[in-house]
Amino acid sequence: SSELTQDPAVSVALGQTVRIACQGDSLRSYYASWYQQKPGQAPLLVIYKNNTRPSGIPARFSGSSSGSTSSLIITGAQAEDEADYYCNSRDISIYHLVTFGGGTKLTVL
Amino acid sequence: QLQLQESGPGLVKPSETLSLTCTVSGGSIRNSGYYWGWIRQPPGKGLEWIGSIYYSGSTYYNPSLKSRVTISVDTSNNHFSLSLTSVTAADTAMFYCARYPLGNSVTFDLWGQGTMVIVSS
Repeated sequence: SSELTQDPAVSVALGQTVRIACQGDSLRSYYASWYQQKPGQAPLLVIYKNNTRPSGIPARFSGSSSGSTSSLIITGAQAEDEADYYCNSRDISIYHLVTFGGGTKLTVL
Repeated sequence: QLQLQESGPGLVKPSETLSLTCTVSGGSIRNSGYYWGWIRQPPGKGLEWIGSIYYSGSTYYNPSLKSRVTISVDTSNNHFSLSLTSVTAADTAMFYCARYPLGNSVTFDLWGQGTMVIVSS
């Protein structure tokens, strides 16, 4: 099976831009999706197919991808963006297996 | 509007079997465009995919749990279920059901609210 690697914690000053990375070989072949999870809540999809926003997700959330790394970008971070963020994708070797990254705790200063 | 709701015992004894159901409302589990999955999250830790099922009954499991997991679907009652055998304290977690569309990405676009299961005697 394949792995997706994320930095455990990232911080950003209020109103600034932050990039949260997700690295894994499977991302060379398959799209990444990104989820926001606040304490006590279920995960919420914020980006899919590397850089597509679902309806209702603020435009400050975007995504990018290059090689084996996909990134979630928050442009003009707000206090309410403080949360855990997870990426996921398919397994590189077995199509129907699913992998999640370990998650990144975003702190907005 | 489609909704998912997990249900099942909140407390399971060690060595016993954990059984949960995810009820789909506002739409049909027979929708051929989606897979239905289970994800768990131990307290303070990250998300772990347990497995998925298609309405036809095809199943896919996390290799690390495969020997203990069974996921089944009941299209008549519009729900799918999780069975995890021989549980230990390490299986204590919030369990979520979710769906994702067919395609080249695994995008869990709809989640249940989750149900906490504690393994303890």
